[in-house]
Amino acid sequence: GAGVSQSPRYKVTKRGQDVALRCDPISGHVSLYWYRQALGQGPEFLTYFNYEAQQDKSGLPNDRFSAERPEGSISTLTIQRTEQRDSAMYRCASSLAGSGSGANVLTFGAGSRLTVL
Amino acid sequence: GQNIDQPTEMTATEGAIVQINCTYQTSGFNGLFWYQQHAGEAPTFLSYNVLDGLEEKGRFSSFLSRSKGYSYLLLKELQMKDSASYLCAVMDSNYQLIWGAGTKLIIKP
Repeated sequence: GAGVSQSPRYKVTKRGQDVALRCDPISGHVSLYWYRQALGQGPEFLTYFNYEAQQDKSGLPNDRFSAERPEGSISTLTIQRTEQRDSAMYRCASSLAGSGSGANVLTFGAGSRLTVL
Repeated sequence: GQNIDQPTEMTATEGAIVQINCTYQTSGFNGLFWYQQHAGEAPTFLSYNVLDGLEEKGRFSSFLSRSKGYSYLLLKELQMKDSASYLCAVMDSNYQLIWGAGTKLIIKP
């Protein structure tokens, strides 16, 4: 697609429910990143992929969080047994170059706003 | 640890010039990025510096000094639409981006 598409844009769920957030990157982009961003803060790294391989998941807060990109394109971030502290804006970004490139410009999606009641 | 410092908020007047500073301490360096983020929107790429010096792109310029761990973003002829947060990010030795908290720029008429 022309840009990075994320869905849903807004998700309200009850504590304890599982949620899945989807990211459709720009076609042909090698790298895909998941970030979490609090209001007035910079993006907080969660995980990233080169093609279908998850290269780094050190930013995932705990084992309730997982991500996949099975065919090297669309990615899903899953949060199991959600808690109120998971409420945040979750942003996906993709880049044409692989993560080992210096001039690795990220294009961000509009984000998924998760609210856990 | 790795750290990016930039002012939390700045105010400037329409038509004026403003300089937003960023200092960093990271494990290695593979480039510095500036992104613009309007309220409620996604960050968008502004500039990339990997060598010392000034990169000019229209009304925006970005400067880098690697020896000082310092960069600035210079915005000229400010317009109301420049009101946004400006995020500084450094790519470390593992090619991971370390993000600052952003500088909220308020433009007054």
